[in-house]
Amino acid sequence: QKEVEQDPGPLSVPEGAIVSLNCTYSNSAFQYFMWYRQYSRKGPELLMYTYSSGNKEDGRFTAQVDKSSKYISLFIRDSQPSDSATYLCAMSAIYNQGGKLIFGQGTELSVKP
Amino acid sequence: DADVTQTPRNRITKTGKRIMLECSQTKGHDRMYWYRQDPGLGLQLIYYSFDVKDINKGEISDGYSVSRQAQAKFSLSLESAIPNQTALYFCATSDPGHPEQFFGPGTRLTVL
Repeated sequence: QKEVEQDPGPLSVPEGAIVSLNCTYSNSAFQYFMWYRQYSRKGPELLMYTYSSGNKEDGRFTAQVDKSSKYISLFIRDSQPSDSATYLCAMSAIYNQGGKLIFGQGTELSVKP
Repeated sequence: DADVTQTPRNRITKTGKRIMLECSQTKGHDRMYWYRQDPGLGLQLIYYSFDVKDINKGEISDGYSVSRQAQAKFSLSLESAIPNQTALYFCATSDPGHPEQFFGPGTRLTVL
C-alpha cells in the first residue's frame, strides 16, 4: 500500500463547477500538506500549503486537512478552463523524514468551456 | 528569469550511453532534489542533497548517481542508460525548516 493515495482520474467538469480533489494517507507523522498544480510539459508549481489540520483559503481555492481521518482535499470554486491541469498532493513529516515530500499519483482535471 | 533551471529540456539517447542532466538554482536554497515522473506513478525521489557535502539516496537510486558541485548546482547522471529510464526528470529546491519545494521545468529523457 502506498503512503499517499490519490485518484488519478481523469476528471472532467463543466466551466463554473465546484471541483473536489482528494488524497488519503497512512503515515500519521505527516504534518505538512501541499497541493501542486502541473500543466502539461511543465514542472509542478506550489498552489497551497497547510500545516496540521484545518482549512486554508486562497481565492477560488480551499485546502482542507482532516488528520483524524488522514484525508486532505482541495476545492476549486467557479472552475475555469485555465484550471485544466494535473493536481498533485504532497506531504511531509519534516523532522522524521528529513524534509522529503511524498507525492500522490496526481489527478488529471479537465474543465470544459 | 526562472529560479530553477534544467538542461537539457529534451534528450534522446541510446541504450548504454552516459547521460548527465544539470540543475541550477538562484533561490539560495541549501536543499536540492532529483525526481522522476512516470505516468500514473507521481513523482519518485531519486537523490537529495541537504548541502554540498551531504548527499542521500531516495526511493529509486539504482542506476543513477549525482554530484553537488556547488550550493546552486546539482547534477544527475545515468552511467549506462536503459529504456526503462525513459521519463520526465525534475529538479527541486527547498530551504531548511520549510517543507515546500520549488521545481524546475523538467527534462524529458527518451532512451532508445
